[in-house]
Amino acid sequence: DADVTQTPRNRITKTGKRIMLECSQTKGHDRMYWYRQDPGLGLRLIYYSFDVKDINKGEISDGYSVSRQAQAKFSLSLESAIPNQTALYFCATSDPTGPGETQYFGPGTRLLVL
Amino acid sequence: GENVEQHPSTLSVQEGDSAVIKCTYSDSASNYFPWYKQELGKGPQLIIDIRSNVGEKKDQRIAVTLNKTAKHFSLHITETQPEDSAVYFCAASIGNQFYFGTGTSLTVIP
Repeated sequence: DADVTQTPRNRITKTGKRIMLECSQTKGHDRMYWYRQDPGLGLRLIYYSFDVKDINKGEISDGYSVSRQAQAKFSLSLESAIPNQTALYFCATSDPTGPGETQYFGPGTRLLVL
Repeated sequence: GENVEQHPSTLSVQEGDSAVIKCTYSDSASNYFPWYKQELGKGPQLIIDIRSNVGEKKDQRIAVTLNKTAKHFSLHITETQPEDSAVYFCAASIGNQFYFGTGTSLTVIP
């Protein structure tokens, strides 16, 4: 969805390196989310934010941190990457005032940790 | 927390046949159930959703049914077409969080 963009789309890094994945949205939504997707495990929530001053841990936050720089930007950091963080990462936004809290996903970032 | 199970993990159907994907959830407080379609190289996209106060919803060739008593909901795709081939995810929402099933890879054989 072009309204939610993620950079980079692909990243290879080494164990112990710090990396940042970035997400931007033009939908004007206050709520933003970071998920990781692993084969056979579906999507699991890492962190979510309901506005610029609000950050909440999700199901699997250990080893990750986030920053909500503005309403439109939500970054995910891996402070010291490890191989089991190899996964597909998705950013999403949602609007709770809509008919259903539909989540709009970005195209994903494929991360490989060697 | 909520636990969402999804079956089958893979499904192959002939073009024109129907496809059914089933999900169960554990927490009776869940009140919103969206279904997402994920095509190769893209993020999931919402295709249909249902709230807990509704038993069935239909949108052209796709429909969703919800049985609150049994805590399960299903996606039905009729008259399948090759472009329906994708991975489908169910989800259940409690409050501010979404819990996803593990996905079903649907292949429609021309």
